[in-house]
Amino acid sequence: GAVVSQHPSWVICKSGTSVKIECRSLDFQATTMFWYRQFPKQSLMLMATSNEGSKATYEQGVEKDKFLINHASLTLSTLTVTSAHPEDSSFYICSARGVGLAGGIFGPGTRLTVL
Amino acid sequence: QKEVEQDPGPLSVPEGAIVSLNCTYSNSAFQYFMWYRQYSRKGPELLMYTYSSGNKEDGRFTAQVDKSSKYISLFIRDSQPSDSATYLCAMSAFPGGGADGLTFGKGTHLIIQP
Repeated sequence: GAVVSQHPSWVICKSGTSVKIECRSLDFQATTMFWYRQFPKQSLMLMATSNEGSKATYEQGVEKDKFLINHASLTLSTLTVTSAHPEDSSFYICSARGVGLAGGIFGPGTRLTVL
Repeated sequence: QKEVEQDPGPLSVPEGAIVSLNCTYSNSAFQYFMWYRQYSRKGPELLMYTYSSGNKEDGRFTAQVDKSSKYISLFIRDSQPSDSATYLCAMSAFPGGGADGLTFGKGTHLIIQP
């Protein structure tokens, strides 16, 4: 079946540093990738939608200069959290949508802890 | 009013019981309804995908959609301890989330007691 991977699975960083998270569709081409954020005991909140080769569309309240998204190919999207702060600590999950895939396929998530 | 309402629980039931999980929503444009299972510190796993009103069965799982009431349900029969997880409902006006992703409920934390 279709699989989406994320790397790293967890990361701890100091405040002010930047962190890059990769999302890959392993056996299908993802026409669209979605980035979600999930705080403890909260639902998944959509941050942005990215289509290969074009600029990402950000949800209201999400700073595009802080959360840089690059969808360089049909199998790879990256999310870079720039100048991370403790309030950015969260579980970041990507979802990839390809032709014929219902509901989108989620990655395993990346837990970011900013000290 | 939030777009999707889901009781966060926790919901604790004995092994073998029938579990009923529910969501209500307000956006009448939603046509596609999904249930995801999420284990702790893992990404969501798609369990059921339904379109419009009706029932869909897959093994021990049954999804029901009542668009007239804007109410969806997931039933789990013969519940097992391995079913213990957070169950998220999600919905969209477009298949696969369309251009705007999915709208999720908060998730219900389910505990199956051995």
